[in-house]
Amino acid sequence: GQNIDQPTEMTATEGAIVQINCTYQTSGFNGLFWYQQHAGEAPTFLSYNVLDGLEEKGRFSSFLSRSKGYSYLLLKELQMKDSASYLCAVRDTGTALIFGKGTTLSVSS
Amino acid sequence: DGGITQSPKYLFRKEGQNVTLSCEQNLNHDAMYWYRQDPGQGLRLIYYSQIVNDFQKGDIAEGYSVSREKKESFPLTVTSAQKNPTAFYLCASSPRTGGFFQPQHFGDGTRLSIL
Repeated sequence: GQNIDQPTEMTATEGAIVQINCTYQTSGFNGLFWYQQHAGEAPTFLSYNVLDGLEEKGRFSSFLSRSKGYSYLLLKELQMKDSASYLCAVRDTGTALIFGKGTTLSVSS
Repeated sequence: DGGITQSPKYLFRKEGQNVTLSCEQNLNHDAMYWYRQDPGQGLRLIYYSQIVNDFQKGDIAEGYSVSREKKESFPLTVTSAQKNPTAFYLCASSPRTGGFFQPQHFGDGTRLSIL
């Protein structure tokens, strides 16, 4: 079956680094996406991995290991505005995405 | 500005009533998608369309219907057969490059409630 797992909640303090893990089991794999979603708003695209390794974009990095069915999103120099839900999604054999339930990150001062 | 427009932002449905949620995009994207989001459930795929006049069922299509008569538009009808329609509905679209679909971009969503 199709399954994507992420922690439900995480907390961190301003200026810190946090790593949000995602493990997946899907029938196929054509890429893994991370989205950020603030409460009541639409998800916004953060990063995309299709090959193993690390992709860096400013304060955000995402890592993928296809053999382990594992990804993480790394957020550095945390700011209060980073408090949001982070959604891991996999594109299997089609064009649509399979989403995990999301990780709610709370950043405190 | 290019983007995805969903309307209305809030919608109320009476028992036995069909309601239609609008989704329009001016990004010239080939594919469009409808998701439903419930608290603690993540996003679940209702329907998607890769090309005009063609669409596919997602994981939770029962009680919903769609049409794709124009590239820009992908309306979702929540029928009276959908017994638990209260949720946040998100429309998304993505372009196609070299045979692969690119990241999906989302509209601002429609929050549907039962009266």
